[in-house]
Amino acid sequence: DAKTTQPTSMDCAEGRAANLPCNHSTISGNEYVYWYRQIHSQGPQYIIHGLKNNETNEMASLIITEDRKSSTLILPHATLRDTAVYYCIVYDFGNEKLTFGTGTRLTIIP
Amino acid sequence: EAGVAQSPRYKIIEKRQSVAFWCNPISGHATLYWYQQILGQGPKLLIQFQNNGVVDDSQLPKDRFSAERLKGVDSTLKIQPAKLEDSAVYLCASSYYGNTIYFGEGSWLTVV
Repeated sequence: DAKTTQPTSMDCAEGRAANLPCNHSTISGNEYVYWYRQIHSQGPQYIIHGLKNNETNEMASLIITEDRKSSTLILPHATLRDTAVYYCIVYDFGNEKLTFGTGTRLTIIP
Repeated sequence: EAGVAQSPRYKIIEKRQSVAFWCNPISGHATLYWYQQILGQGPKLLIQFQNNGVVDDSQLPKDRFSAERLKGVDSTLKIQPAKLEDSAVYLCASSYYGNTIYFGEGSWLTVV
């Protein structure tokens, strides 16, 4: 079973920052938070991951709370091409498996 | 760097027929996964290989699904005989020993 809870859907205006929350209250100390997104008819695309520090790359920023029980994915300037289903996943390098939930359907509004 | 390659991209078959999907992982990636994604749901793991050995096939319906990864590189997923409920996207993914997992575009199966 997925160890994360995400809102089913969200809207964001084009050009604004999209903030996608995720709860993972049962995360273990050695488990990472991974984010993927899936645009219609494509395979899941890796976005970013982190353990306990905030992370930033060319696609997004990941903010993890100090207690690691929740995180937020930030897309700084959302475009129409960011419309997708976003999955937050708790990943254990020990068993090397991604367990997907149902994700958040993000719609960018023109 | 080339990504995970899958074929065919789309397939329509009648129930009780057979179908095979092929996957070529990213070069050097030892771990290969097959996921099934039914419309409206997140992907579900079917089988995981490391090199040419099976690590986990607990969710694979073995009465009709089979998979192999003979030389530790390419992999084939077969369904025989297909049922209507097998209509889904079959996603192949790979990683370097548990590092970031990368997915292919998927093979869309419709069983009629």
